[in-house]
Amino acid sequence: KNEVEQSPQNLTAQEGEFITINCSYSVGISALHWLQQHPGGGIVSLFMLSSGKKKHGRLIATINIQEKHSSLHITASHPRDSAVYICAVPHSGGSNYKLTFGKGTLLTVNP
Amino acid sequence: DVKVTQSSRYLVKRTGEKVFLECVQDMDHENMFWYRQDPGLGLRLIYFSYDVKMKEKGDIPEGYSVSREKKERFSLILESASTSQTSMYLCASISGQGETQYFGPGTRLLVL
Repeated sequence: KNEVEQSPQNLTAQEGEFITINCSYSVGISALHWLQQHPGGGIVSLFMLSSGKKKHGRLIATINIQEKHSSLHITASHPRDSAVYICAVPHSGGSNYKLTFGKGTLLTVNP
Repeated sequence: DVKVTQSSRYLVKRTGEKVFLECVQDMDHENMFWYRQDPGLGLRLIYFSYDVKMKEKGDIPEGYSVSREKKERFSLILESASTSQTSMYLCASISGQGETQYFGPGTRLLVL
């Protein structure tokens, strides 16, 4: 089973700061997911990436397949970015159906 | 827009009760999942269904069963609820391999 480690567990930032959240996994994968969960529970998929970098607005996700590592960056952070960010990878390095999730990073952005 | 809905946002049940959690998706997805989410443990897969009447155990299936009689609907059943099953339950669906998972809003279950 793939093991997923996220860091940091908690992160507090001031509005406007550049944020980085890290994710490492143990078994080679075909794709990695970044998810966002706001208070109240709903989870939204932000990115699914298998190589390089993807950008969506102020969010940037990168992945290094050789090092089994991914980062999620938030530029010009805003209080509305406050949420739990979760990294997920395929369960056993094969099928993308079953995912193993990191424990999440709680981000708080203060105005 | 893909929509995954869950039958309840909050549920309070007594120990020993049979509990049904329902999930419906409107995008004709073949694959559906039930997860539970607990503080410090993250999301854990309970059961997975890859087609009507087909299911596969996840990491923590004990104390749960599932039913998938129609493609759009995936039910999680707690045969005899216990306090250890107090948790947030999330349903998700995905169309195929390499696709994004879509999550429901979650059901917060309290077993007294």
